[in-house]
Amino acid sequence: DGGITQSPKYLFRKEGQNVTLSCEQNLNHDAMYWYRQDPGQGLRLIYYSQIVNDFQKGDIAEGYSVSREKKESFPLTVTSAQKNPTAFYLCASSINGYEQYFGPGTRLTVT
Amino acid sequence: QKEVEQNSGPLSVPEGAIASLNCTYSDRGSQSFFWYRQYSGKSPELIMSIYSNGDKEDGRFTAQLNKASQYVSLLIRDSQPSDSATYLCAVNLDSGGGADGLTFGKGTHLIIQP
Repeated sequence: DGGITQSPKYLFRKEGQNVTLSCEQNLNHDAMYWYRQDPGQGLRLIYYSQIVNDFQKGDIAEGYSVSREKKESFPLTVTSAQKNPTAFYLCASSINGYEQYFGPGTRLTVT
Repeated sequence: QKEVEQNSGPLSVPEGAIASLNCTYSDRGSQSFFWYRQYSGKSPELIMSIYSNGDKEDGRFTAQLNKASQYVSLLIRDSQPSDSATYLCAVNLDSGGGADGLTFGKGTHLIIQP
C-alpha cells in the first residue's frame, strides 16, 4: 500500500531531551513537509524539502532540525531549544508542489 | 504576513441541508487553495483543491473561488452526520519555485444535526 507513515503515534519525553520524529513515504513524492498543530489552532509550517539534500525553514523553525538524505524519508528533530514542544506533529508530501497529503501524525508530550 | 481567516464555529446544519463554509486570505499573490477535513484526533484529509476563479464540483462538494474578493468557500450538499468535522482552509503562495508550504486557517467546526 502506498502512503505516508509516521512513528510513533504517541511520544513522551522529559524536558531537555532531544527527540526525533519519523516520516516515511512510498508515493515517490519529491516534496515533503512538517507542520505543527496546537489545540484549536490551524497547522503551522516548520520545515519543508523540495528535493533530496535540500530543505528550507518554514514559519516556526526555531528549535527544530531536519534532514533529507533519502527521497522517502524526512525526519524531524525537536531539540531542547524548542520552548513549547508539546503538540501534534504532521508530516505531508506532494508530487506536484501543490496538493499535500498528510500522514497520521505524532502526538508529542514533553513534561 | 500571510493570513487565512475562518469562522471557528461551531456551525450547526440540519441533516440533508447545505453547509456553507467560508475563508478569506490576505495575500493577493496566492494562487492555490485547498479544503481539508479533519476529524477529531486525526490528521487532515484533502477534499478539494481549486486554482482558478469560479466553481469546482466534486460529488457533494463544491469549492468556490473569487480572487478579486480574496474569498474561497466550500459548499456541502445533502449534509450527512459523517460530515461533522473541522474543515481547514489552506492557501499556497506560488512563488514560482513551487512546492513551498501551505498557510492554514484555524478551521471551522461543522456539526450536522440528525
